[in-house]
Amino acid sequence: EAQVTQNPRYLITVTGKKLTVTCSQNMNHEYMSWYRQDPGLGLRQIYYSMNVEVTDKGDVPEGYKVSRKEKRNFPLILESPSPNQTSLYFCASRTSGGTYEQYFGPGTRLTVT
Amino acid sequence: AQSVTQLGSHVSVSEGALVLLRCNYSSSVPPYLFWYVQYPNQGLQLLLKYTSAATLVKGINGFEAEFKKSETSFHLTKPSAHMSDAAEYFCAVSDNGRGSTLGRLYFGRGTQLTVWP
Repeated sequence: EAQVTQNPRYLITVTGKKLTVTCSQNMNHEYMSWYRQDPGLGLRQIYYSMNVEVTDKGDVPEGYKVSRKEKRNFPLILESPSPNQTSLYFCASRTSGGTYEQYFGPGTRLTVT
Repeated sequence: AQSVTQLGSHVSVSEGALVLLRCNYSSSVPPYLFWYVQYPNQGLQLLLKYTSAATLVKGINGFEAEFKKSETSFHLTKPSAHMSDAAEYFCAVSDNGRGSTLGRLYFGRGTQLTVWP
């Protein structure tokens, strides 16, 4: 089944404790992206990657890191999480061309205390 | 950058009533337009998309949307609401211009649809 998977689905952590949220897709998509969703703000892009070893900032990149060492994986790293990073996070992927339709993972709900 | 405006963060309708969720966009280049739906505790699922073919687009679950270039709108409708339609709906527009943001999606803030029995 074609899908985007994220782990963990739920995470509660404390301020300053480094964490990684994994994202993997099995559709051989070149483009991958991370979003955060906050009430009343919709989805805001954190980082995106056009292909392996090619990443760029989205609208809200502060406090986040990403890497793209393999085509299928695009982990999101929070080196020192803070309470304002409490949010619902989505990973998405698509092909490099076509109609730019993105396929979303199930989401990761992160709480930073 | 593109922008998307969804008028009304909350819409409530009775079961069987017409659903109308509004979306306006700004784009200097003809865009692709999308409606996504998010059911509680789930990810986003594509409802329908406009890609410069027919201006009236039919999607899943009886939803449809009409692209109106003169109004820069892409409103989502369903003739008869069902309880199972209760969800959050997001309108999105693609960046079809040139440059590093080509293909990027810009989302509206979402509209929460409540369906009353």
